[in-house]
Amino acid sequence: AQSVSQHNHHVILSEAASLELGCNYSYGGTVNLFWYVQYPGQHLQLLLKYFSGDPLVKGIKGFEAEFIKSKFSFNLRKPSVQWSDTAEYFCAVSGISGGYNKLIFGAGTRLAVHP
Amino acid sequence: DTGVSQDPRHKITKRGQNVTFRCDPISEHNRLYWYRQTLGQGPEFLTYFQNEAQLEKSRLLSDRFSAERPKGSFSTLEIQRTEQGDSAMYLCASSLPSGQGGGSPLHFGNGTRLTVT
Repeated sequence: AQSVSQHNHHVILSEAASLELGCNYSYGGTVNLFWYVQYPGQHLQLLLKYFSGDPLVKGIKGFEAEFIKSKFSFNLRKPSVQWSDTAEYFCAVSGISGGYNKLIFGAGTRLAVHP
Repeated sequence: DTGVSQDPRHKITKRGQNVTFRCDPISEHNRLYWYRQTLGQGPEFLTYFQNEAQLEKSRLLSDRFSAERPKGSFSTLEIQRTEQGDSAMYLCASSLPSGQGGGSPLHFGNGTRLTVT
């Protein structure tokens, strides 16, 4: 069955620290990969996506993610976090068998950034 | 605001009652999705529509759950005979059609938080 695993449920960082959130997926075919972010009190928003091409994807607010097909991974990174990055981050995958329409989400990683 | 709109934001109901939630997607989006999110978990896919056609509903949690999108615009999700385990955030999302080799990102609403007492 398709699944997404996010390694860390809670991450606490100080401002200016570097961030890497792990995401591994299990899916047999061609995949689309996403990171969504949910700021406190707000709806889920797309941070970045990978469909094909360059496996290093840049998103909004200085975030990037790297698709490593051999490792079934799509880790999210940011060189220097800010207090405003405090949010919950969700990795998601969709595949051709679902017509790319059915997103499977990980359980999320709650990030707290301290000033 | 031209984003996805959900109503109500919060619903408290007693066990055994029926509830209905409404979702208004972004106007040019022909695809509409329902997800459920419980505490500590990511959103869980329930069903989706392309225009008025419900293309997948196998993930609806039981026959107490049903969804409609009669005119291909807004959608409703109904839960009959609610149970305490139905307490969750119900999310609606919409998107454009998938392109060649990839899907279109989903745009989510703020959700309806259901509490069954």
